[in-house]
Amino acid sequence: ETGVTQTPRHLVMGMTNKKSLKCEQHLGHNAMYWYKQSAKKPLELMFVYNFKEQTENNSVPSRFSPECPNSSHLFLHLHTLQPEDSALYLCASSQDKARGEKLFFGSGTQLSVL
Amino acid sequence: GENVEQHPSTLSVQEGDSAVIKCTYSDSASNYFPWYKQELGKRPQLIIDIRSNVGEKKDQRIAVTLNKTAKHFSLHITETQPEDSAVYFCAAGDSGYALNFGKGTSLLVTP
Repeated sequence: ETGVTQTPRHLVMGMTNKKSLKCEQHLGHNAMYWYKQSAKKPLELMFVYNFKEQTENNSVPSRFSPECPNSSHLFLHLHTLQPEDSALYLCASSQDKARGEKLFFGSGTQLSVL
Repeated sequence: GENVEQHPSTLSVQEGDSAVIKCTYSDSASNYFPWYKQELGKRPQLIIDIRSNVGEKKDQRIAVTLNKTAKHFSLHITETQPEDSAVYFCAAGDSGYALNFGKGTSLLVTP
C-alpha cells in the first residue's frame, strides 16, 4: 500500500492506558493532519502540521498529544482517554497547507476506549 | 469559523437515476470546494473539486456546481451505478486554513 499508511488499523484501550497512533506518508508532502471521524458527525480537524510545525490545534483535549518528527511521520499519543473518544482517527497529507490542496487520507485507526 | 451544512443525510436511488447532494457554507471567503467519497471501510478519496472562479465542473458522470452568491454547491451524479454507493462528504476552505467538512451523505444505489 502506497501513499498514506496508518498503524495500527484497530486499537482497543482502557481509560488508563497510553498508546500511540502512527502515520507515514510516502508522497513527499509537507503538510500532515489528524482528523477524527465519529458516526453522524462531520470529519473533525484535530491538528495540522506544515513543514513539521504545528499550525493548528482545534481545541483538542490535552489527552491527545501530536508529534511530527519530520515531514513524513506523524504520531498521535493517547493517554487517559474517555469512552467518547472512540472513533476512527484519520491521518491525511497534502502538498502544503495552502489553499485548495488535495488531501490524501490514510485508512484510519479504529479506536475503541473501554 | 466556517460552517458547512450537507443534505440529505441519506439518499437512495435506483440504478440509472441521478443523485444530487447539496451543501451550504457560511464563510464568504471560502474559495475551494472539494467532494470526497468514502466507501464502506475505506479511506475518503477526492472525486472532484471546484474553485470559486468556476461555476461548474464536470468529470464523466460527476459534476459539481457552485453558487457563490447563495453560498451553496452541489454534487450531481448521473446514470448511477451500484459502485457509486458510499458516503459523500463536501468541504469548504480558504487560503491558509484546512478544510471544514459536512456531515456526509450516505448514498445507496439499488439495482
